[in-house]
Formats: sequence, C-alpha cells, structure tokens
Amino acid sequence: QKEVEQNSGPLSVPEGAIASLNCTYSDRVSQSFFWYRQYSGKSPELIMSIYSNGDKEDGRFTAQLNKASQYVSLLIRDSQPSDSATYLCAVEGGYSTLTFGKGTMLLVSP
Amino acid sequence: SAVISQKPSRDICQRGTSLTIQCQVDSQVTMMFWYRQQPGQSLTLIATANQGSEATYESGFVIDKFPISRPNLTFSTLTVSNMSPEDSSIYLCSVILGANVLTFGAGSRLTVL
Repeated sequence: QKEVEQNSGPLSVPEGAIASLNCTYSDRVSQSFFWYRQYSGKSPELIMSIYSNGDKEDGRFTAQLNKASQYVSLLIRDSQPSDSATYLCAVEGGYSTLTFGKGTMLLVSP
Repeated sequence: SAVISQKPSRDICQRGTSLTIQCQVDSQVTMMFWYRQQPGQSLTLIATANQGSEATYESGFVIDKFPISRPNLTFSTLTVSNMSPEDSSIYLCSVILGANVLTFGAGSRLTVL
C-alpha cells in the first residue's frame, strides 16, 4: 500500500522565520509530487508541484525533491501569520490519482 | 479558472438514511474524483468517475455504499448510503485543471447522528 508520511505538528515558527515541512513516501516509482495548503474549514489548494530531483522555487516557497531518499520538503521563507494552515504532501499514484499525507499544521506567530 | 460547485455544503443526517452530493464543473473534464476527509485525517480517494462508464472504486470503498453517477462531462453525484456516524466527514469533489493540477470543490460537510 502506498504511504505518504508527514509529521503532524504543530510546527511553530515566529514571523519572518523559515518553516521547513518534510514528507517521505513509500512508492519508488512515483514521479509527481505536490504540496497543498488547507486552511481550517476550507478545501485544499495547490501551492507547489515538483517532478525532478532538486529545488523548485516560487516566491517565498521552495520545494525540494530527492527521489533516491524518497523525500520531499517544502520551505517557506519569511513566514507570515497568514501561512498558518495545514500543509498536505501528495504523491501521484497512477491514473491521475493522488495519495495524501495526514498533513503538518504550521503556526506562525506574530 | 474553472469553478467547481458542490452542494450541499453541509448537512446533518439521521442514521440509516442516504444523502446525495452533487458536483458541477463549469468546463468539461474527463475524470472527476471523490475524496473523503474524516475529522483530523487526510484525504482518502473514494473513487474516480468517468463519463459513460462505471466508477472505479479504491480499496475499502464499494459501489453499494457509495454509488456514483456521471451523466455528462460536467456533472457527478456521490451518494452516501445507509449512513452511520462513522460516515461523518467532509466529502470533496475534485478535477484536474490546467497543467496537471488537482483542484477541489469547497466540500460537503456531513454529520450523521
């Protein structure tokens, strides 16, 4: 069974700090990886996708992928209170379906 | 960008009854996906709905409990049958839009008493 593991948190960081969110996955053949943000009471929204080993940057967000270690991470620079949410790691499982981790709750304090 | 509308947004139901959730997309899509998010848990795929064929269910989900309709390329329904309190959850419709982006509707929050 395909698994995606994340620390549930909460991860608490002060405003302006770097938040680092981590994810490991079990399916070695996975090729597509995604980070979703979910605010309380809302549906998930995609913030980053990554398909190749290395780093991918988009504004304050950087996704990192290491397929050999089966590891995906998300860095949020200059964290803001509005970044407080649950971050879900998702891995494509074939036929366009995604397997989600349980999510890491991030709390950014002013 | 395309809009995904779900209804009802929330409902409170009695044990043993059934509820049908509707999902409407304002563009034609090949596949529609139904996910469940139980309290404090992540998203679990229930089934994939293709127009003109039976839905494909994931392990642990069966058609008798979660019948799905897909009458056209913009609409789908998910029915939660013979509900029990364990079915209390958020049910999310989703589609792939743009460049391989799985996009979710606002969800239907179901509470079973």
